[in-house]
Amino acid sequence: NAGVTQTPKFQVLKTGQSMTLQCAQDMNHNSMYWYRQDPGMGLRLIYYSASEGTTDKGEVPNGYNVSRLNKREFSLRLESAAPSQTSVYFCASPKGPWGYEQYFGPGTRLTVT
Amino acid sequence: GQQVMQIPQYQHVQEGEDFTTYCNSSTTLSNIQWYKQRPGGHPVFLIQLVKSGEVKKQKRLTFQFGEAKKNSSLHITATQTTDVGTYFCAGPNTGNQFYFGTGTSLTVIP
Repeated sequence: NAGVTQTPKFQVLKTGQSMTLQCAQDMNHNSMYWYRQDPGMGLRLIYYSASEGTTDKGEVPNGYNVSRLNKREFSLRLESAAPSQTSVYFCASPKGPWGYEQYFGPGTRLTVT
Repeated sequence: GQQVMQIPQYQHVQEGEDFTTYCNSSTTLSNIQWYKQRPGGHPVFLIQLVKSGEVKKQKRLTFQFGEAKKNSSLHITATQTTDVGTYFCAGPNTGNQFYFGTGTSLTVIP
């Protein structure tokens, strides 16, 4: 039982390049979230998916797209990376309905030059 | 929009001293969660508080939820080097979104 897994762990992109961050959970949870973490700013929600087939914008969605591929997988795509997107990206999945503890993946450390 | 602020941003303590971090929300929260993130790691859930005035303890950690459900605190008694990390509070808005506090980074000096 791996919980929440993310790939890749590290990535360096040049401005304008695209990439997809992958996230998978094996806990049979309905909801999945994508956060970014920047120094001094805590974690900010980018997009979330309350259930398979649905996605919604969070606090900072600009420059990102998401796909809830199935119940297990939730991907985050950067179509044209910018230096402002240099950050640590975490995928998370709450234990149950709204308000329950969130399980986080190990994170992806992305640098855009 | 909703804001969740934490103070202090950084705290250095001698091992054995106590530590407290405070979390304040601009809106009333239905519940509040606390997470710990070790350096280089990911956030790990510690506890959830739901009731007004609720107090919960986990060994040396004491968590409180304010009477108005707009503030919370985490107190660690007699810190140890294993307590090093950043502590975050998080609270939900009326939708399916959690707002995380800015975090308090704790350094414990042996």
